[in-house]
Amino acid sequence: QKEVEQNSGPLSVPEGAIASLNCTYSDRGSQSFFWYRQYSGKSPELIMSIYSNGDKEDGRFTAQLNKASQYVSLLIRDSQPSDSATYLCAAPGTNAGKSTFGDGTTLTVKP
Amino acid sequence: GAGVSQSPRYKVAKRGQDVALRCDPISGHVSLFWYQQALGQGPEFLTYFQNEAQLDKSGLPSDRFFAERPEGSVSTLKIQRTQQEDSAVYLCASSPQGGFQQPQHFGDGTRLSIL
Repeated sequence: QKEVEQNSGPLSVPEGAIASLNCTYSDRGSQSFFWYRQYSGKSPELIMSIYSNGDKEDGRFTAQLNKASQYVSLLIRDSQPSDSATYLCAAPGTNAGKSTFGDGTTLTVKP
Repeated sequence: GAGVSQSPRYKVAKRGQDVALRCDPISGHVSLFWYQQALGQGPEFLTYFQNEAQLDKSGLPSDRFFAERPEGSVSTLKIQRTQQEDSAVYLCASSPQGGFQQPQHFGDGTRLSIL
C-alpha cells in the first residue's frame, strides 16, 4: 500500500464545472502537502501548497486539509480544457529525504 | 535559464551499457532530489542530496544505481549494466532549503529507454 493514495480516475468534467481531487496519506508526521500538475510528457509543476488544517484558496484553486482524517483535496472551480492534466498529491513524511507522491489523478475537462 | 536543467532529454541504450544522467539545479538551491517515474505512476524517490552530502539513498533500486553531487551543484545519476526494467523517466528536482517539507522545482526529465 502506498503512503499516499489518490483516486486514479480518469475524472471527466464539463467546462465550467468544479473538479474535485482527493488524496489520503498514511504518515501522521507529514507537515506539508503539495499539489502538482503534470501535463503529458512534461515535468510536475507546483500549483498549491498547504500546511494547516482548513482551506487555502488561490484563484480558481482551493486546497483543503484535514490532518485528523489524513485527507487533502484540491478543488478546481470553473474548470477549463487547459486544466486537463494529471494531478499529483505529495505528502512528505517523516522519513528523511523522502517526498512521497501519489500516482496521480488524470483530469479531462471537456469543452 | 533559471530552471532545473536535465540532460540528455532522451537516452537510448542497449541492455548492459552504462548511462549517466545530468542535473543542473537552480543556482543556490541546497536540496536536490532524484526520482524515477514509470508510465502512469507518480514519481518514486531515489535519492536526496543536501549540498554535496547524500543524506538518503534508500530509494536506489540496486547497487547498479549511483548518484553524486561533488561540489554541491550539478548532480549525476549513473546506472551501470542497464536492464530493461530501468526504462523510465528520471526526474531531478531542487529546492532552496534543506529538508523535504517544502515545494520542489522539477526539471523536464530524461526519458531512458533500454533496448
